[in-house]
Amino acid sequence: ILNVEQSPQSLHVQEGDSTNFTCSFPSSNFYALHWYRWETAKSPEALFVMTLNGDEKKKGRISATLNTKEGYSYLYIKGSQPEDSATYLCASMKTSYDKVIFGPGTSLSVIP
Amino acid sequence: GAVVSQHPSWVICKSGTSVKIECRSLDFQATTMFWYRQFPKQSLMLMATSNEGSKATYEQGVEKDKFLINHASLTLSTLTVTSAHPEDSSFYICSASGRPTVTDTQYFGPGTRLTVL
Repeated sequence: ILNVEQSPQSLHVQEGDSTNFTCSFPSSNFYALHWYRWETAKSPEALFVMTLNGDEKKKGRISATLNTKEGYSYLYIKGSQPEDSATYLCASMKTSYDKVIFGPGTSLSVIP
Repeated sequence: GAVVSQHPSWVICKSGTSVKIECRSLDFQATTMFWYRQFPKQSLMLMATSNEGSKATYEQGVEKDKFLINHASLTLSTLTVTSAHPEDSSFYICSASGRPTVTDTQYFGPGTRLTVL
């Protein structure tokens, strides 16, 4: 794939549910994969930077995995809370000096 | 830490006028700043990259005379949309990377919504 893709485009979950979404990126010439959380009217917030195949990162109830050979990353949220409602962006880098290519984002709404 | 501010948060202007957007790193030295544009339901699209004290590098298809970028200090970059037209209406957002911050991570401002009448 030439672009960074994310699925689903949007999802709605009940408070307490766990959820996950996908980021697909070009697997050739991979350097790093970023995840950002973007709440409405705020700045995108960096969640994770991942570089190694098989890497797994965790921040509270949010975790992410990385498969560089097949070109995908999963973001998991355990026990979703209303404050998790945001758009989650992933972004891929081919090299340390190359530009970052963003996916279109997954919009998550957590219903109380 | 690593806070980036951006002003104004929204602006409405008449066609033909110029608009300046400021992007500031508040607690770190922004050696590199990035300007993005986002159309509804689309990805953030990189417009240009600027290193402090150097001319900006523009992405293909972005008019450098239309979108003037200045990165005169380690804490400030500005984007000026010259002779704005309705098709320039969009969401513009800046980001910065530098020191001391997490390597390769960009820190974003909150964005500017530009509407050209």
